[in-house]
Amino acid sequence: TQLLEQSPQFLSIQEGENLTVYCNSSSVFSSLQWYRQEPGEGPVLLVTVVTGGEVKKLKRLTFQFGDARKDSSLHITAAQPGDTGLYLCAGAPDSNYQLIWGAGTKLIIKP
Amino acid sequence: GAGVSQSPSNKVTEKGKDVELRCDPISGHTALYWYRQSLGQGLEFLIYFQGNSAPDKSGLPSDRFSAERTGGSVSTLTIQRTQQEDSAVYLCASSLGDLAGAYNEQFFGPGTRLTVL
Repeated sequence: TQLLEQSPQFLSIQEGENLTVYCNSSSVFSSLQWYRQEPGEGPVLLVTVVTGGEVKKLKRLTFQFGDARKDSSLHITAAQPGDTGLYLCAGAPDSNYQLIWGAGTKLIIKP
Repeated sequence: GAGVSQSPSNKVTEKGKDVELRCDPISGHTALYWYRQSLGQGLEFLIYFQGNSAPDKSGLPSDRFSAERTGGSVSTLTIQRTQQEDSAVYLCASSLGDLAGAYNEQFFGPGTRLTVL
């Protein structure tokens, strides 16, 4: 069974600080996605990484896919209160259209 | 274009009653997923439909849970004889499925919040 371990589970920091969320597995994924979910809504895709070692940037968010395609990180620079939400990583096994989901990181950015 | 819609948005029921939750996926999406989410937690996979293939029911927690997808579009998740532990947000998602390759983005509805008293 493929698992995706996400850490930390909960993070509360002050506005302006930096943070990193990790997603780790012993399995290889063909791609990995990061979603953000706000209260009362469904998750929304932020980014998909496909190539080992790939780095993608979305404004203050930097996503990295590990060289071996087993792990990923999300780094937020100068966090803002609008970044508050539940961040979920999800990995796609090779040819399966289902996703393996991490347990999520609840992020609170205090003004 | 329209996204994934779910109804009702909230459902309060009494223990032992049956409930039906509805999902309207994005038109043209061949894959449809149901998930359950407890407050502030991650997603628990329930069931997956892909085109005309037999659904993957491996995530259904008990035989009180069932789902169907009519005409490859609308899906209904039914919970029979509801229990208090069934209280959660039920999320539906759709995707392009086998048309998407590695970029199988799932598009989520807003969810149905189920409360069993």
